[in-house]
Amino acid sequence: AQKITQTQPGMFVQEKEAVTLDCTYDTSDQSYGLFWYKQPSSGEMIFLIYQGSYDEQNATEGRYSLNFQKARKSANLVISASQLGDSAMYFCAMREVRNFNKFYFGSGTKLNVKP
Amino acid sequence: AAGVIQSPRHLIKEKRETATLKCYPIPRHDTVYWYQQGPGQDPQFLISFYEKMQSDKGSIPDRFSAQQFSDYHSELNMSSLELGDSALYFCASSLRRGYRPYNEQFFGPGTRLTVL
Repeated sequence: AQKITQTQPGMFVQEKEAVTLDCTYDTSDQSYGLFWYKQPSSGEMIFLIYQGSYDEQNATEGRYSLNFQKARKSANLVISASQLGDSAMYFCAMREVRNFNKFYFGSGTKLNVKP
Repeated sequence: AAGVIQSPRHLIKEKRETATLKCYPIPRHDTVYWYQQGPGQDPQFLISFYEKMQSDKGSIPDRFSAQQFSDYHSELNMSSLELGDSALYFCASSLRRGYRPYNEQFFGPGTRLTVL
């Protein structure tokens, strides 16, 4: 079974608008971490934000916030006030305590920000 | 702040040749991970090392081997290269800090390997 599912292969958003990138995950662990990475066309992987399974509040980092719904096993990334430089591939990832040395990635969402 | 360093950044090889990719983790990080990302795909975990010992293995072909040295740098050795090995190879490092699952991984810029 897929550990991380990103159902949106590609998305468009108008500059300055907000956008939500979906991510659902599958785990039977009680303790896990969820991450979002950005990969521009240049190829590097840039860490954006994380959420621990025991964190009660949704994580926020500047224009990025994570909409964590534990019961639904979803960890959507919200980007507010989109900028042209946000155009990139976005990967959701998870680490479980019992498979600590593995990072599971989703298939990614390609975000295009239109001027 | 220092980041993960990978060398070379680009590598072109022919089929059946060998290649060695190097990774220098962030200072004081004790864990190194290798990933392979094919065109249009998500990164696939290959192998990881913790304190110079192999800690986990993913979908790494038998033609590949890796090790972590006393100075914590790691090398991924790839032999009998095939066309399908053309990909972006990432190294990442992290600090274990007691199995906290939200210890993030910091990625290097990647090595783009092209096999002709």
